[in-house]
Amino acid sequence: GAVVSQHPSWVICKSGTSVKIECRSLDFQATTMFWYRQFPKQSLMLMATSNEGSKATYEQGVEKDKFLINHASLTLSTLTVTSAHPEDSSFYICSAHSPGLHYEQYFGPGTRLTVT
Amino acid sequence: KNEVEQSPQNLTAQEGEFITINCSYSVGISALHWLQQHPGGGIVSLFMLSSGKKKHGRLIATINIQEKHSSLHITASHPRDSAVYICAANSNYQLIWGAGTKLIIKP
Repeated sequence: GAVVSQHPSWVICKSGTSVKIECRSLDFQATTMFWYRQFPKQSLMLMATSNEGSKATYEQGVEKDKFLINHASLTLSTLTVTSAHPEDSSFYICSAHSPGLHYEQYFGPGTRLTVT
Repeated sequence: KNEVEQSPQNLTAQEGEFITINCSYSVGISALHWLQQHPGGGIVSLFMLSSGKKKHGRLIATINIQEKHSSLHITASHPRDSAVYICAANSNYQLIWGAGTKLIIKP
């Protein structure tokens, strides 16, 4: 089946620094990738949708200047959390979609971010 | 009312019991996902359903499109099945998430 990887799986960074999370589709080309965030004891929430080669579409309430999303190739999307704050500590998950798979989304394992 | 509702929210059972987790949705969907999240956060996709029934090992997922309802069953449950199980409806290219069911299997 289709595999999506995320790197890193966990990261600790200091407040004010930036951290980049990568999402890769390993054996298929993902025209669309989705980024989700999950706070403790809450459901996953969609942050943004990114289509290869175009600007990401952000959900209401998500700061696009703080959460920079790049989807430069059909197999890689990156989420950069800029000027991280402790309240950005969360679990970030990406999923990838390919038209050939007919609406299926394949999920990455997630990245746990802790900002100290 | 949430567009995707799961029940129960919490479930504790003894090892060996047959487990059922339910998911109802109110939107039109192209597919429904069942996912498993272990403590520590890692998510594993269990099933993607658009009709009928799928089976993988001790896990069985069913969906009734007319009734807008899906169930996840675990046979011969084991403590390692303890996790949060989440259903998510794929509707118009987006996923609408259920709140999850926290399952604890006691030895």
